[in-house]
Amino acid sequence: QVQLVQSGAEVKKPGASVKVSCKASGYTFTSYTMHWVRQAPGQRLEWMGWVDAGSGDTKYSQKFQGRVTITRDTSASTAYMELSSLRSEDTAVYYCARAHVANSGSSGSWGQGTLVTVSS
Amino acid sequence: EIVLTQSPGTLSLSPGERVTLSCRASQSVSSSYLAWYQQKPGQPPRLLIYGASSRATGIPDRFSGSGSGTDFTLTISRLEPEDFAVYYCQQYGSSPLTFGGGTKVEIK
Repeated sequence: QVQLVQSGAEVKKPGASVKVSCKASGYTFTSYTMHWVRQAPGQRLEWMGWVDAGSGDTKYSQKFQGRVTITRDTSASTAYMELSSLRSEDTAVYYCARAHVANSGSSGSWGQGTLVTVSS
Repeated sequence: EIVLTQSPGTLSLSPGERVTLSCRASQSVSSSYLAWYQQKPGQPPRLLIYGASSRATGIPDRFSGSGSGTDFTLTISRLEPEDFAVYYCQQYGSSPLTFGGGTKVEIK
């Protein structure tokens, strides 16, 4: 079965960077796009971007352009999301989410979430 | 950016009742690339419906989706105790992908 296991919670100071990992198993990693979505406390889900795990191509939400970098390591079946210049508003649970089919925008499998807290 | 507006914000219902949730888009969603998710506290979202009306694997047939263009609906034909949760719609026809603000279905 598809499993996405994310790295643990992080506490960061404003201005720092955070890198969250998402290890995939149970399917052919390079055949699916991986999305990153975040959810601030009490807020709606917010899409940040995706990586085509096969080609490495990426697409980012304009809101995060310049601050977010999504990569993947095919040898480790792992995707990464790095967010820089952190501010308090970036406090949220960050999810990786595999495309439902191939490069679909809907996500059928999600990681457990990684809480990133930004606080001085 | 396509803005998705969900209504109502909260529904208070009893098990066994029929539920209709609305998701309205600020502009047409191309190719009906509209999904619905269920989220319970402390859990990631769970895909229910994709392509506006196709049920994801393992989703009970009491869940159904419909609509096109700018107006979409998720219907739960008969509420089960495990259905009390927050429901989000998502459009994935144009970038950025966007989600609605959610509808909470709570026990009356």
